[in-house]
Amino acid sequence: AQTVTQSQPEMSVQEAETVTLSCTYDTSESDYYLFWYKQPPSRQMILVIRQEAYKQQNATENRFSVNFQKAAKSFSLKISDSQLGDAAMYFCAYRRWGDMRFGAGTRLTVKP
Amino acid sequence: DAGITQSPRHKVTETGTPVTLRCHQTENHRYMYWYRQDPGHGLRLIHYSYGVKDTDKGEVSDGYSVSRSKTEDFLLTLESATSSQTSVYFCAISDFYRGPHNSPLHFGNGTRLTVT
Repeated sequence: AQTVTQSQPEMSVQEAETVTLSCTYDTSESDYYLFWYKQPPSRQMILVIRQEAYKQQNATENRFSVNFQKAAKSFSLKISDSQLGDAAMYFCAYRRWGDMRFGAGTRLTVKP
Repeated sequence: DAGITQSPRHKVTETGTPVTLRCHQTENHRYMYWYRQDPGHGLRLIHYSYGVKDTDKGEVSDGYSVSRSKTEDFLLTLESATSSQTSVYFCAISDFYRGPHNSPLHFGNGTRLTVT
């Protein structure tokens, strides 16, 4: 079974600075999708960004970008110009067909 | 927000009693999911459905059963609740209009279940 590992239970960043959250995954497949979700204290799950395994180009959504290293099975999330509203749990996820698996999450704190 | 409603929002029950959680969608999406969220474990997949009466097990399916008799409803049943099933349960939906892997999941607001 596919596994997703987030090795940083907690991270903190100063407001306006940049932070990178790590994610690795294990799969023998070549076609899949990767996602980052954000969960603020409201408990709502919010899609941040997604990456197709076949695309070499790293996905970008405004201040959020990924560093996708397929051979290394690594999928990190970079948050630039961090804002107080970025404080949340962040989950990395792997999807192939219907099955979607999540990592244990990283709690991000943003310091003013 | 995607039209997903979970009920109840909160439930307290006693060990050994049956419990059913309901997920209702208005998006006509093919896939529906049940996850549980526990500190230190993230979201773990319990079961998912890829169509009416078509379901598959996830990584933590023991002690849980599901049913999907209509596209819009996906039920999660704990036949005999245990304290280890105290958790927050999330329903999610997804379609794959552009391919089998790329559609994100849209989540409900969760059900907090406490088994005493």
